[in-house]
Amino acid sequence: EAGVTQFPSHSVIEKGQTVTLRCDPISGHDNLYWYRRVMGKEIKFLLHFVKESKQDESGMPNNRFLAERTGGTYSTLKVQPAELEDSGVYFCASSQRSVGGGSPLHFGNGTRLTVT
Amino acid sequence: GNSVTQMEGPVTLSEEAFLTINCTYTATGYPSLFWYVQYPGEGLQLLLKATKADDKGSNKGFEATYRKETTSFHLEKGSVQVSDSAVYFCALSPSGNTPLVFGKGTRLSVIA
Repeated sequence: EAGVTQFPSHSVIEKGQTVTLRCDPISGHDNLYWYRRVMGKEIKFLLHFVKESKQDESGMPNNRFLAERTGGTYSTLKVQPAELEDSGVYFCASSQRSVGGGSPLHFGNGTRLTVT
Repeated sequence: GNSVTQMEGPVTLSEEAFLTINCTYTATGYPSLFWYVQYPGEGLQLLLKATKADDKGSNKGFEATYRKETTSFHLEKGSVQVSDSAVYFCALSPSGNTPLVFGKGTRLSVIA
């Protein structure tokens, strides 16, 4: 089966610009998660979709971040306008059942975002 | 709150050396514990997990035992290989439908 795919793999933008990251989960996985790792720090949870609904968005840093999952398939994460502190690696992960139910997470390779 | 603390890296070892990467956690309830690994250029992969106290997770020669009394889940391997060079993340899943909480990651480099 195809794994979780993320696009683009790298993005370099200027402060104030807009960037949209895309994640295609494994087919049939209802649960989709976004995480972010800032250089040298923990991988931090951003939000969790179950199908097209936001189950938990407690990790979203501020209203410059907008995540969508129309139709419950792929998801996008838009940053508008981007700030320097948004730089990091954004990971997407999917699972059949929720993590609390013991289902393992399958991660994509991540998108490395650099804001200059 | 829930948190994971890993030993600081990077860790550099010679091939066939013994590996320990320390991980301790703080959590309410009875979390599940995980080790994830990120090889160069790839996404995170689940390496092993343990879901209750005294469980031992193992995979690819790596082991970790869920120690509730010391709130630890240290990763060990008896003889590392160059191909084990990667970043290792300790993580916990609190009970219930709550997201994974990760440590900062430990970079391991194994030299021939």
